[in-house]
Amino acid sequence: DTAVSQTPKYLVTQMGNDKSIKCEQNLGHDTMYWYKQDSKKFLKIMFSYNNKELIINETVPNRFSPKSPDKAHLNLHINSLELGDSAVYFCASSQGALGSYEQYFGPGTRLTVT
Amino acid sequence: AQSVAQPEDQVNVAEGNPLTVKCTYSVSGNPYLFWYVQYPNRGLQFLLKYITGDNLVKGSYGFEAEFNKSQTSFHLKKPSALVSDSALYFCAVRGYTNAGKSTFGDGTTLTVKP
Repeated sequence: DTAVSQTPKYLVTQMGNDKSIKCEQNLGHDTMYWYKQDSKKFLKIMFSYNNKELIINETVPNRFSPKSPDKAHLNLHINSLELGDSAVYFCASSQGALGSYEQYFGPGTRLTVT
Repeated sequence: AQSVAQPEDQVNVAEGNPLTVKCTYSVSGNPYLFWYVQYPNRGLQFLLKYITGDNLVKGSYGFEAEFNKSQTSFHLKKPSALVSDSALYFCAVRGYTNAGKSTFGDGTTLTVKP
């Protein structure tokens, strides 16, 4: 059973388009995250939701909008895609928002903007 | 603000030799410290964490890490490296406050040669 799953795995699109990435976790966790990993493999948090409430909102262009319809799902919508948005986007979850909980990561979505 | 430093971009060891991947951190209050491993084209996998108690923490695949409060370090170790340990390793810190936000180091690529 896949604990944290993301769709699609690969996404190739043109500048200016709008796209969405979906994430689902079947671990019963309360907290979910979106991370961006750039070409140098640096990992940065973008957003975090705890029980469907946004608790972390890093300095991210407002073209990125997360949505959590329920505790098991966290989607990421990106408007007006730019070349610099090309990266691997990881969804993750943890049992709760407390810092003592480890995170479980999905397989990633490789976004390529041309 | 919390931060993590992994001073080595690359660590090379021979199979069967001990390995160490270094990590130092900065955080207000008591830290929660984590190690994750990323294999090519995969998401991050949790290896181990320090929350409180014993300074030597044991984790998956024979890895362990030593928490040193005075040196603000949390180095990852393994007594005998395997070729299959070759991967990208990330150290991360989460603080008491900050909604459980994780800050990741820049990663260290471990290469184990036969």
